[in-house]
Amino acid sequence: DIVMTQSPDSLAVSLGERATINCKSSQTILYNSNEMNYLGWYQQKPGQPPKLLVSWASTRESGVPDRFTGSGSGTDFTLTISSLQAEDVAVYYCQQYYNTLITFGQGTRLEIK
Amino acid sequence: QVQLVESGGGVVQPGRSLRLSCAASGFRFSTYGMHWVRQAPGRGLEWVAGISFDGSTKYFADSLKGRFTISRDNSKNTVYLQVNSLGAEDTAVYYCAKALGSNGDYEPFDYWGQGTLVTVSS
Repeated sequence: DIVMTQSPDSLAVSLGERATINCKSSQTILYNSNEMNYLGWYQQKPGQPPKLLVSWASTRESGVPDRFTGSGSGTDFTLTISSLQAEDVAVYYCQQYYNTLITFGQGTRLEIK
Repeated sequence: QVQLVESGGGVVQPGRSLRLSCAASGFRFSTYGMHWVRQAPGRGLEWVAGISFDGSTKYFADSLKGRFTISRDNSKNTVYLQVNSLGAEDTAVYYCAKALGSNGDYEPFDYWGQGTLVTVSS
């Protein structure tokens, strides 16, 4: 299985400041034939199901605020929140769908400092 | 609008079986892969199983293979998860989720249900 490792496990950031969450895969999830990274980012708030924020490592989903940006390629990926808002408090997960044995990172809990 | 509604959860004794259902609406169900993801209390997300749009291909997490079965009925817009020999480690909220793109096997999940809680306890 492809192991997804996120860092840090938890993060406290002041309102209006930048938050950065990292995700590393145990093998490349870049498919050479189409140059796509098979990586998604999800946000989960308490008592709610996860919400897809970013697909293909950097494609922001419809309706997701532009302060959320996904980047990276190969094995190293980042989700950046440019200016933290109170409603961004959540747990964030990365996911690889490069193969049919889909795996998630362990999650990063984001809080307000 | 897309809706996914899970059912079938509850309290079940260890060793018993359970079938979960997920009723879909608001999209052309027969053209999208579907998945089950579970989340134990206070824990992270664990992908459980997936099924292709036509039901011809099924995928399971290695650690769960053998006890879980996934199926779908495109005439009823419903996907199922059969879980056998339940143990305490299977206690979790079980979510069904829709693949983002149609007809493909390698997609993220763009819609999720609210989940159904399975509690394994004697």
